Amino acid sequence: AQSVTQLDSQVPVFEEAPVELRCNYSSSVSVYLFWYVQYPNQGLQLLLKYLSGSTLVESINGFEAEFNKSQTSFHLRKPSVHISDTAEYFCAVIYAQGGSEKLVFGKGTKLTVNP
Amino acid sequence: KAGVTQTPRYLIKTRGQQVTLSCSPISGHRSVSWYQQTPGQGLQFLFEYFSETQRNKGNFPGRFSGRQFSNSRSEMNVSTLELGDSALYLCASSRRDSFPMELFFGSGTQLSVL
Repeated sequence: AQSVTQLDSQVPVFEEAPVELRCNYSSSVSVYLFWYVQYPNQGLQLLLKYLSGSTLVESINGFEAEFNKSQTSFHLRKPSVHISDTAEYFCAVIYAQGGSEKLVFGKGTKLTVNP
Repeated sequence: KAGVTQTPRYLIKTRGQQVTLSCSPISGHRSVSWYQQTPGQGLQFLFEYFSETQRNKGNFPGRFSGRQFSNSRSEMNVSTLELGDSALYLCASSRRDSFPMELFFGSGTQLSVL
């Protein structure tokens, strides 16, 4: 079955510390990978995406994610977090096969940045 | 360019009632998807509409229904509300003619069933 696993439901870190939010997906022929962020009382916003090309993708606010096909992973990293990064992060995968596509979300990781 | 607009922002209903939620997509977007978000289950796909036709459906009971109008606006209806229907309902629009599709979310409607 097509699935997305976010290994940590909650990640507490201190401000200016590095962070990695993990995402693994079930193997498939073609995948397109996304990270969405949800700030309190808001909807989801696209943070970054991997469609093709370079396996390392970056967002405008310092996050980056690396597509690793052999590990079937798309982990999200930031070298130094801010209080304002406190939010819930969702990994999402589009599985494309036979002309159809299916979007699957992980269950989310709540990142809490403490002063 | 205006984003995805969902109304109302908050709703309080009692068991057995019905509720209708509204979603206006980004101009030019013809696909609207609905998701239910709860702390325990995360994001669960309800259904997707494109050009007034339901294209995909998640695994929800028939009490959950939707429709899309000719201007791409969409409504979602839940009949005979249950306590477990309390959730944040998110609407997302996309340009279905782009591949892969990218979703743009509204802020959601927080439904509380008492």
